[in-house]
Amino acid sequence: EILLTQSPATLSLSPGERATLSCRASQTVSTYLAWYQHRPGQAPRLLIYSASNRATGIPARFSGSGSGTDFTLTISSLEPEDFAVYYCQQRFDWPVTFGPGTKLDIK
Amino acid sequence: QVQLVQSGAEVKKPGASVRVSCKASGYTFTNYGISWVRQAPGQGLEWLGWISAYNGHTYYAQKFQGRVTMTTDTSTSTAYMEVTSLISDDTAVYYCARDDALVGTRGFYFDDWGQGTLVTVSS
Repeated sequence: EILLTQSPATLSLSPGERATLSCRASQTVSTYLAWYQHRPGQAPRLLIYSASNRATGIPARFSGSGSGTDFTLTISSLEPEDFAVYYCQQRFDWPVTFGPGTKLDIK
Repeated sequence: QVQLVQSGAEVKKPGASVRVSCKASGYTFTNYGISWVRQAPGQGLEWLGWISAYNGHTYYAQKFQGRVTMTTDTSTSTAYMEVTSLISDDTAVYYCARDDALVGTRGFYFDDWGQGTLVTVSS
């Protein structure tokens, strides 16, 4: 099973600031990695797929990069609605695995 | 548009079983599969397994093998997940998500989710 680790566990920032979230895989996942946003009381929302492609309707302030074992989600300028938990997920191998999440909260 | 509508909240006693349904619309059900994901209070997302609505094949996360059963009813475009021998740690919101039809597929991501079903296990 491919393990995903995320850092930091919690990130405290202010609206307008830039957020950089990391995800590391225990073995290569090529670019078969996604990022999801999860707000309380809502279903998770796909933000980025295949490491760097924005899903439909996702604002341009969200971007993803990386390949192999190291990945980054960047939010260029935080909006109030961006404060949530972010998970990475690999779809390179089965079983599907998620990272433990990064909580982005308001400073 | 794709919709996945799940059944309502459940309260169960330890040792009991629960079945959650996920009714799909807006796409050809048998061209895809369904994955199930849960989130326990204060915890992250955890993938339980997958079922193909195309051929009925299943793949369960090792942790849940023997305790989780996934099925589909293609006549009603509905997927089901049953969890048996419930314990308090099974208290969680359970989600269904549209997935690929074939096991081993790479690169299919969860763009469509159900609204979630809260299962509470309490004596």
